[in-house]
Amino acid sequence: DVKVTQSSRYLVKRTGEKVFLECVQDMDHENMFWYRQDPGLGLRLIYFSYDVKMKEKGDIPEGYSVSREKKERFSLILESASTNQTSMYLCASILESGGWTEAFFGQGTRLTVV
Amino acid sequence: ILNVEQSPQSLHVQEGDSTNFTCSFPSSNFYALHWYRWETAKSPEALFVMTLNGDEKKKGRISATLNTKEGYSYLYIKGSQPEDSATYLCAFGGSNYQLIWGAGTKLIIKP
Repeated sequence: DVKVTQSSRYLVKRTGEKVFLECVQDMDHENMFWYRQDPGLGLRLIYFSYDVKMKEKGDIPEGYSVSREKKERFSLILESASTNQTSMYLCASILESGGWTEAFFGQGTRLTVV
Repeated sequence: ILNVEQSPQSLHVQEGDSTNFTCSFPSSNFYALHWYRWETAKSPEALFVMTLNGDEKKKGRISATLNTKEGYSYLYIKGSQPEDSATYLCAFGGSNYQLIWGAGTKLIIKP
């Protein structure tokens, strides 16, 4: 079974803290994505990575950075957490096949910044 | 800017009733349309991927149709059960690898 694991289900952090969200996949996929999900909005792409040490900005990268030192691990970093980064964060490992993609998700991390 | 719209945003359905909801997407540069089910406290899981105009997919009591020319897909649930309660997400796959997501339809089944 395909597995994507996020390090925490719930997190509460203080404004200004540096926050690390970890994601690990066991499918040997090259592509990994970080999304956030807020009420009334679709999943919004923060950053993605095609390969080790490769990263690309998504639609809303401000206030975030990422790290991909190993193929199976993709980390999202909030350099200085702010209350507007309170959200549900989803990591996905993406399989590309025949021109289309399928996303395999972690269980999500609900981050609250106080 | 590519936009994927889902309606309604939320839906309350009596157990045993059938229901359906809509995903609208761009009709150009279409590769695939995905439906996912996201249950509370779980990961979103793929339900269907459809690539051809007129595609119909079925899994148990859940089915989906696709119209790429007019840019919409319907998801149908027959005889709703409490375990169908979830947020249903659709995603448009265009000519690149990226998926553009709708905001989801939150389905609540009332016993």
